[in-house]
Amino acid sequence: KAGVTQTPRYLIKTRGQQVTLSCSPISGHRSVSWYQQTPGQGLQFLFEYFSETQRNKGNFPGRFSGRQFSNSRSEMNVSTLELGDSALYLCASSLEQSPLHFGNGTRLTVT
Amino acid sequence: DQQVKQNSPSLSVQEGRISILNCDYTNSMFDYFLWYKKYPAEGPTFLISISSIKDKNEDGRFTVFLNKSAKHLSLHIVPSQPGDSAVYFCAARYNNNDMRFGAGTRLTVKP
Repeated sequence: KAGVTQTPRYLIKTRGQQVTLSCSPISGHRSVSWYQQTPGQGLQFLFEYFSETQRNKGNFPGRFSGRQFSNSRSEMNVSTLELGDSALYLCASSLEQSPLHFGNGTRLTVT
Repeated sequence: DQQVKQNSPSLSVQEGRISILNCDYTNSMFDYFLWYKKYPAEGPTFLISISSIKDKNEDGRFTVFLNKSAKHLSLHIVPSQPGDSAVYFCAARYNNNDMRFGAGTRLTVKP
């Protein structure tokens, strides 16, 4: 069974640009969650999607948004990038009320 | 909004000895707790979990203890092996798949 796939693995953007990250969940998993990892802050919860609906949301500004498609694939978008958005963005999928399965992440660098 | 805290950023132990990683939480609505292990350049992988109705769960060398009155969680690894060297994240879940993570503890097991 294929794991969670995130693309691209690395991205370099400049301040003010926008970026879209992609996540393909494990087959059969309908829940997809996104996390931001920065040194010292651990994994900060961004949002969770289930059946194309945002079900939970963390404390991030509106510049961070996402969506989920009918095949459970998900995208995350960050607009008007800031230097502080540089981080590892992790996507995870799961069955309902089961442990999360993470992808290897997208490393975003904002210059 | 750090609802899950890992106050020790790092821990170093000798091979064969016990490793004890600690985690505290503030939200009494959490109903399920998990530990994840993360190697560099990879996403976190699920290690062990415990429901809030239990106080101990064991899986091989790994045991998780939950003290609900103290809102404290710990992971014991016995005996520790060099391959256990990684960053360990404590996580707590409430509200479907809304999962909150601590900042992580870097464990180093010395041969």
